[in-house]
Amino acid sequence: EVQLVESGGGLVQPGSSLKLSCVASGFTFSSYNMHWIRQAPKKGLEWIALIYYDSSNKYYADSVKGRFTISRDNSKNTLYLEMNSLRSEDTAMYYCAKDRPELGLYVMDAWGQGASVTVSS
Amino acid sequence: DIVLTQSPALAVSLGQRATISCKTNQNVDYYGNSYMHWYQQKPGQQPKLLIYLASNLASGIPARFSGRGSGTDFTLTIDPVEADDTATYYCQQSRNLPPTFGGGTKLELK
Repeated sequence: EVQLVESGGGLVQPGSSLKLSCVASGFTFSSYNMHWIRQAPKKGLEWIALIYYDSSNKYYADSVKGRFTISRDNSKNTLYLEMNSLRSEDTAMYYCAKDRPELGLYVMDAWGQGASVTVSS
Repeated sequence: DIVLTQSPALAVSLGQRATISCKTNQNVDYYGNSYMHWYQQKPGQQPKLLIYLASNLASGIPARFSGRGSGTDFTLTIDPVEADDTATYYCQQSRNLPPTFGGGTKLELK
């Protein structure tokens, strides 16, 4: 069974940094592209970052480009999201999601339960 | 970025048909496939993939769910609606980066 477990969320002040982790199990992590998607309170889904299976390509939403960094450690089956210069508008639930290329380009066929990030003074 | 537009809410009776629409401002077809996907999100839970490439049922999803459409107009149909289907439904395009989602349609029971 595919499992994705996020951690590292919390309450931080504007301008600070935070690093989220997503531990994967139940599939060959090193073979799949991975995404981060966030959801602000009572709002819709916003894709924020993608990393290829071998870290050869990384893509970001304009809203986080230059502030957030996606990375992975295939030896640890772990996906990361390093968030710097956090703003109040970054307050959201952050989900990691597994890509499933066999189903189409950038389809997310498994999601973690989410890590909550609150940016407030 | 490709913009996806959904109606915010829909109310249907148990056992009836629910049709949720998603319109895009650009064609999401490419080489014979429509890069449109649908997710279900129940309150307090993570999203779950329902439909991929416009009309293909994801693994474990009941046949009450179906999708259709091409180009810029897509629909998700639930027939018949069950109580457990109360959720918010999101469409997502993957024709271009960045992948973008519709605003979501909240399905409620009358």
